[in-house]
Amino acid sequence: DVKVTQSSRYLVKRTGEKVFLECVQDMDHENMFWYRQDPGLGLRLIYFSYDVKMKEKGDIPEGYSVSREKKERFSLILESASTNQTSMYLCASSSVGQGMSQYFGPGTRLLVL
Amino acid sequence: GQQVMQIPQYQHVQEGEDFTTYCNSSTTLSNIQWYKQRPGGHPVFLIQLVKSGEVKKQKRLTFQFGEAKKNSSLHITATQTTDVGTYFCAGPAGNKLTFGGGTRVLVKP
Repeated sequence: DVKVTQSSRYLVKRTGEKVFLECVQDMDHENMFWYRQDPGLGLRLIYFSYDVKMKEKGDIPEGYSVSREKKERFSLILESASTNQTSMYLCASSSVGQGMSQYFGPGTRLLVL
Repeated sequence: GQQVMQIPQYQHVQEGEDFTTYCNSSTTLSNIQWYKQRPGGHPVFLIQLVKSGEVKKQKRLTFQFGEAKKNSSLHITATQTTDVGTYFCAGPAGNKLTFGGGTRVLVKP
């Protein structure tokens, strides 16, 4: 089974702090994704990566950056956290050979005070 | 760009009853996928449909892909409390997926 893990389930940070969220997948998937999920707003794509060191902006990239130095690891960075970035962050991975079906991690619930 | 819409947004169902949720894409899809997210959980892949008119069943869940490959439906028979959650459909768009807004299912015992 595909396993996608995220570094923290819950995180509390202060406004202005730099925040790192890490995601690791163990199935050699080419694609990795970061979403945020807020009540009533569904899944919104922040960034995705289709290869090591490659990244593309999603629908809401402002205030975020990403890093993919190794195939199995995809990091989301909040350069200067703000209260409107309080949310559930979900990482996912997929493979071209599996019709792009995505496997999600358990999520990180981030609270920015 | 590609848009995927789901209706209804909310579905209140009496336990034991059947219901259907619908998914419509603005473009033809190479496949359609369904995911389920339990309250407090993360989306979990349920199934993928590829062929025009394809129908697949998973126990009490029946998934259908439209003939034009632009719409899909999920029918749940004899709803149980374990069916509570949000069901998302999604279609490929390049290397990523376009997700519908989801149908949140609430079951009345």
